[in-house]
Amino acid sequence: GQQVMQIPQYQHVQEGEDFTTYCNSSTTLSNIQWYKQRPGGHPVFLIQLVKSGEVKKQKRLTFQFGEAKKNSSLHITATQTTDVGTYFCADPNTGNQFYFGTGTSLTVIP
Amino acid sequence: EPEVTQTPSHQVTQMGQEVILRCVPISNHLYFYWYRQILGQKVEFLVSFYNNEISEKSEIFDDQFSVERPDGSNFTLKIRSTKLEDSAMYFCASGGWGANSPLHFGNGTRLTVT
Repeated sequence: GQQVMQIPQYQHVQEGEDFTTYCNSSTTLSNIQWYKQRPGGHPVFLIQLVKSGEVKKQKRLTFQFGEAKKNSSLHITATQTTDVGTYFCADPNTGNQFYFGTGTSLTVIP
Repeated sequence: EPEVTQTPSHQVTQMGQEVILRCVPISNHLYFYWYRQILGQKVEFLVSFYNNEISEKSEIFDDQFSVERPDGSNFTLKIRSTKLEDSAMYFCASGGWGANSPLHFGNGTRLTVT
């Protein structure tokens, strides 16, 4: 099946530091979505990127879609403890299979 | 805001037993999904359902699994003969009007097979 890999798998940061997770696909994506899952919770939709090179911001979160549409990143500026959770990219392209990436688990140390 | 509801929140069953996990998707959504997440691991796609039939299924979704939308509101996942390795959190999700619509997830059912 479609492989969407994310790095790193785990990230520990001090509160106030920045955080970035990267999502890489083996094939070109028509669009990509990002989700956040809090510990013990369910994935919650954050954003969708469609255009090559697209950049979108949500407060301290910046999402990018690569020029070749094979990778994406999520950057959090000045992390807070509320940012704790696992961040997944998701590929809704391959038929209706809607694969999720491997996820990056973020721990924020106060 | 409308939400996806799943019942039960926790199901304990013995190996070999059948279980049915229930979901009520958001009412005007057209696309329905089941995912599985083993503790601390990735969210694994199981099956998608559209227009009253399975659209796609993963290699995990073998003959032990089936899905139904028996009426206009419920969406169920049945596991016929549970195995220990079926222990996981099962999430139902629904999406709106297109195959790329963002997914709304339920709170999940934690299945424990003993």
